[in-house]
Amino acid sequence: QLQLQESGPGLVKPSETLSLTCTVSGGSISSSSYYWGWIRQPPGKGLEWVGSIYYSGSTYYTPSLKSRLTISVDTSKNQFSLKLSSVTAADTAVYYCASPVDTAILGYYGMDVWGQGTTVIVSS
Amino acid sequence: EIVLTQSPGPLSLSPGERATLSCRASQSVTTNYLAWYQQKPGQAPRLLIYGASSRATGIPDRFSGSGSGTDFTLTISRLEPEDSAVYYCQHYGSSPPMYTFGHGTKLEIK
Repeated sequence: QLQLQESGPGLVKPSETLSLTCTVSGGSISSSSYYWGWIRQPPGKGLEWVGSIYYSGSTYYTPSLKSRLTISVDTSKNQFSLKLSSVTAADTAVYYCASPVDTAILGYYGMDVWGQGTTVIVSS
Repeated sequence: EIVLTQSPGPLSLSPGERATLSCRASQSVTTNYLAWYQQKPGQAPRLLIYGASSRATGIPDRFSGSGSGTDFTLTISRLEPEDSAVYYCQHYGSSPPMYTFGHGTKLEIK
């Protein structure tokens, strides 16, 4: 059964770069899904899609973060990563990685496997 | 950019009742790309419905989705206390590829 686990620093200083990793276990990142995504949730607020990377290597980012965001895949480590530069307090959130894995939902773009989330606080 | 508006506001119902949650899109969307999630405090979201009306694996048949165009509904019948959660609708747009979430509806069962 495919599982996702986020990791990264819980505290980042303003203006620095936030780096998070999502480790895929129970399957290969190269064949288990056709895209991998990041979603975040500020404290007490709703879900915000951050960006996705497809099996082809194509990346798509939410417009408000596009200039600061990079998502990549490392197949050798079975991981995909998020880097968000020049962070501010507005980037404080729980960050989730997620992916569609069940073949039944292919083509529907729901996400059925999620990590447990990692809390990132931006503060000096 | 599509905006998803969810209603009603916080909802409080009793066990055994039926909940009807609405998600309205700012423009007509592809039915296949409309999903619903349940999120309980301190947990990651869980996919309930995809393609507007198909239940994800393991989701009880008390959960059902319907709708098309701009109006979509999540219905939860025979409410149980464990259904207390925030429910989000989500749309995938293909040009350019991006996801949009509604702001969520909080459902309390007591």
